[in-house]
Amino acid sequence: GAGVSQSPSNKVTEKGKDVELRCDPISGHTALYWYRQSLGQGLEFLIYFQGNSAPDKSGLPSDRFSAERTGGSVSTLTIQRTQQEDSAVYLCASSLHRSGGATEQFFGPGTRLTVL
Amino acid sequence: SQQGEEDPQALSIQEGENATMNCSYKTSINNLQWYRQNSGRGLVHLILIRSNEREKHSGRLRVTLDTSKKSSSLLITASRAADTASYFCATDDANDYKLSFGAGTTVTVRA
Repeated sequence: GAGVSQSPSNKVTEKGKDVELRCDPISGHTALYWYRQSLGQGLEFLIYFQGNSAPDKSGLPSDRFSAERTGGSVSTLTIQRTQQEDSAVYLCASSLHRSGGATEQFFGPGTRLTVL
Repeated sequence: SQQGEEDPQALSIQEGENATMNCSYKTSINNLQWYRQNSGRGLVHLILIRSNEREKHSGRLRVTLDTSKKSSSLLITASRAADTASYFCATDDANDYKLSFGAGTTVTVRA
């Protein structure tokens, strides 16, 4: 079946512009995650959606970052007034939600954002 | 904040040799997972080990978990050039479902 898809794959923008990044999770996965990865670094957690529960936004680095998940499926990560330090690969992942802790996450290919 | 830390940061081995990397973490966990990343893009799940498990195998992969030392190791046996990638451990907090990733170990397998 189809995996997690993200669009665009690459985005180049000018400092101060807003950008929207899209994630289509695997059908039936109730949990959706956004991460950011700077060059040569590990993944930095941004936000987590689980079903109809309020999202865990504890990883968002500033109020310029926001995300929504419509209909429990597609998610959009928005970065307003982009800064050069926002340049990174933004990764989305989805998973099934089960009791007993985090389960395997399926990752999309990422969106490489470059802010000039 | 990152919970897992991998060691070493980088590893270069000859094809056919074994590769071992370690992960240490700080707080109690439900599960520990290992992922592989090629070319800085999407991660691929390799193996999940639960906190009540001590060892797990999957093909050429062997994972151990020592909760008393808050550490895990990933062993890749009989390495191949295709194993060249970055490897990350990820842990979930015992009270949460989101994963914390370490900075990764970059493995290079020389032909």
